[in-house]
Amino acid sequence: TQLLEQSPQFLSIQEGENLTVYCNSSSVFSSLQWYRQEPGEGPVLLVTVVTGGEVKKLKRLTFQFGDARKDSSLHITAAQPGDTGLYLCAGARTQTYKYIFGTGTRLKVLA
Amino acid sequence: KAGVTQTPRYLIKTRGQQVTLSCSPISGHRSVSWYQQTPGQGLQFLFEYFSETQRNKGNFPGRFSGRQFSNSRSEMNVSTLELGDSALYLCASSSLGLAYTGELFFGEGSRLTVL
Repeated sequence: TQLLEQSPQFLSIQEGENLTVYCNSSSVFSSLQWYRQEPGEGPVLLVTVVTGGEVKKLKRLTFQFGDARKDSSLHITAAQPGDTGLYLCAGARTQTYKYIFGTGTRLKVLA
Repeated sequence: KAGVTQTPRYLIKTRGQQVTLSCSPISGHRSVSWYQQTPGQGLQFLFEYFSETQRNKGNFPGRFSGRQFSNSRSEMNVSTLELGDSALYLCASSSLGLAYTGELFFGEGSRLTVL
């Protein structure tokens, strides 16, 4: 059962454009993370959000955790080719000792 | 410090065989979790170990098993391989304790092909 749905599944944009990736669930999570994975490598953590309504910024990336802690979004401003990769959201619930990963969004930024 | 090391990186097996994958976590990390990644299903949780105890297990058949040693190194085993077991198997280590809200550090994975 896939509890975290990401949209869009694929995204191809030109350098300099803005984009938003969504991560939605009907379940509540105690924390939510975003990872980026490049070919031949494991996912690398970008951010962790734990408070409903929380907004975190990491240079050109803005992450938001929904008020009800069921959804999250990742916004990239002025995308660059180096942003290309597979973006994964992952949710955790206290004392379940696992992360549930989203379906993934494959982003390609063209120069 | 050294990252998470997974061996082997690539392997090819035939149906019915069994395979053992190894994961050495970052020094000091006591939590090791395993995930299966396929194009169709994405990243699926297999199991998590903390100080040699399995704390959670995903929805995989009993052919998938794992263990963790006293030095936190972990192995996973898949017996009676099926074509559908072809995937990238990722190991992640963490300093997580009971709260489980910290960062997962992933290895580069072991890519298994079953023929």
